[in-house]
Amino acid sequence: AAGVIQSPRHLIKEKRETATLKCYPIPRHDTVYWYQQGPGQDPQFLISFYEKMQSDKGSIPDRFSAQQFSDYHSELNMSSLELGDSALYFCATAEVWGRGDTQYFGPGTRLTVL
Amino acid sequence: AQTVTQSQPEMSVQEAETVTLSCTYDTSESNYYLFWYKQPPSRQMILVIRQEAYKQQNATENRFSVNFQKAAKSFSLKISDSQLGDTAMYFCAYTGANSKLTFGKGITLSVRP
Repeated sequence: AAGVIQSPRHLIKEKRETATLKCYPIPRHDTVYWYQQGPGQDPQFLISFYEKMQSDKGSIPDRFSAQQFSDYHSELNMSSLELGDSALYFCATAEVWGRGDTQYFGPGTRLTVL
Repeated sequence: AQTVTQSQPEMSVQEAETVTLSCTYDTSESNYYLFWYKQPPSRQMILVIRQEAYKQQNATENRFSVNFQKAAKSFSLKISDSQLGDTAMYFCAYTGANSKLTFGKGITLSVRP
């Protein structure tokens, strides 16, 4: 069965640089969630999209922005990177928003900021 | 705000035995959903089981079952016939009307051969 695809899988950046993370949902999934998991931490919700519109926002820094495109893939843009942004970034997708539909996670993008 | 609490940081179980992982939550919502996710050393987040709060019946998936006590706001996971591949971090998670997942701190489960 098709799974959630995230690219790149690993990314190394310098402080103050910019990074773009991509997420390709499971076919027919129109809802995308982004989570950040720091070392030894639980995943923290950043932002979500439903039908290409932002549906909810969590503790996402102003330096980060995201969008969902017409083909339902999503991109998380991170600017002015800081050491504390080093984390595993997950994208999760669901078929329906708002009904507790199961969220299926991608493999994650491991971002290291040096 | 909703909160999820996993008070045990780690547990260990002998292969083929049964282990129960605890989780409590707090919410004022009447309609919500609870999940257990497994995160093995690969760091992939894998769904183990899902429970709808309005359903009285406890969810079961093969060797995994839950004990959902709505009044007590408790949602524990029982793993029967533990296998070495069950070694992982297990996260209890909640979602309500806004659909985002709120996770507990997780518990590290080690299965001993």
